[in-house]
Amino acid sequence: QVQLQQSGLGLVKPSQTLSLTCAISGDSVSTNSAAWNWIRQSPSRGLEWLGRTYYRSKWYNEYAVSVKSRIMINPDTSKNQFSLQLNSVTPEDTAVYYCTREIGPGNGRNWFDPWGQGTLVTVSS
Amino acid sequence: QSVLTQPPSVSAAPGQKVTISCSGSSSNIGNSFVSWYQLLPGTAPKLLIYDNNKRPSGIPDRFSGSKSGTSATLGITGLQTGDEAEYYCGTWDSSLSAWVFGGGTKLTVL
Repeated sequence: QVQLQQSGLGLVKPSQTLSLTCAISGDSVSTNSAAWNWIRQSPSRGLEWLGRTYYRSKWYNEYAVSVKSRIMINPDTSKNQFSLQLNSVTPEDTAVYYCTREIGPGNGRNWFDPWGQGTLVTVSS
Repeated sequence: QSVLTQPPSVSAAPGQKVTISCSGSSSNIGNSFVSWYQLLPGTAPKLLIYDNNKRPSGIPDRFSGSKSGTSATLGITGLQTGDEAEYYCGTWDSSLSAWVFGGGTKLTVL
């Protein structure tokens, strides 16, 4: 059974960097059959996909246009986890952040399962 | 403004049936498969439906999914108070090269 355990700070000051980590058990961050995603949820925006990292003979990262200039998602194979860094945060980045595994045959047929427990991140001075 | 359109809220009595719609376009629902997720406060989101209409192991058959053209629907029968949650549809958008979701639908079991 795959489980995802999130960790990281829940309060970040404006203009600083949001950092979260997602530890994986029951699967490998280096697997060729999944992608590792970060998604956030807020009352004003609902669910918003932020980006993903995955390994297919080499590492790939893909990011949402809305955050592309200030986001990094990195795998850590030594700890079997992946991380999210979001720079230059503003109060609009306040949300519950989730990590999740994306699986499926690809070509528009994937889905997210399981999800991490979520981390409420508040951007405030 | 979400790419996929869902009603903000639906409600029904215990034991009744409810449907939640999810409308998109040819670049997302029209050429991809839809999944549905249940979000309860304080708990990890749960996958309810994948591949438009398949249920993962452990999801009761009270939950069903369908897709037609650029729209998808989640159905829940035999409503229980424990079904009160927010429900989201999601799919891949080939034009945006991104995952997109609906704005979420709050289900109230009266």
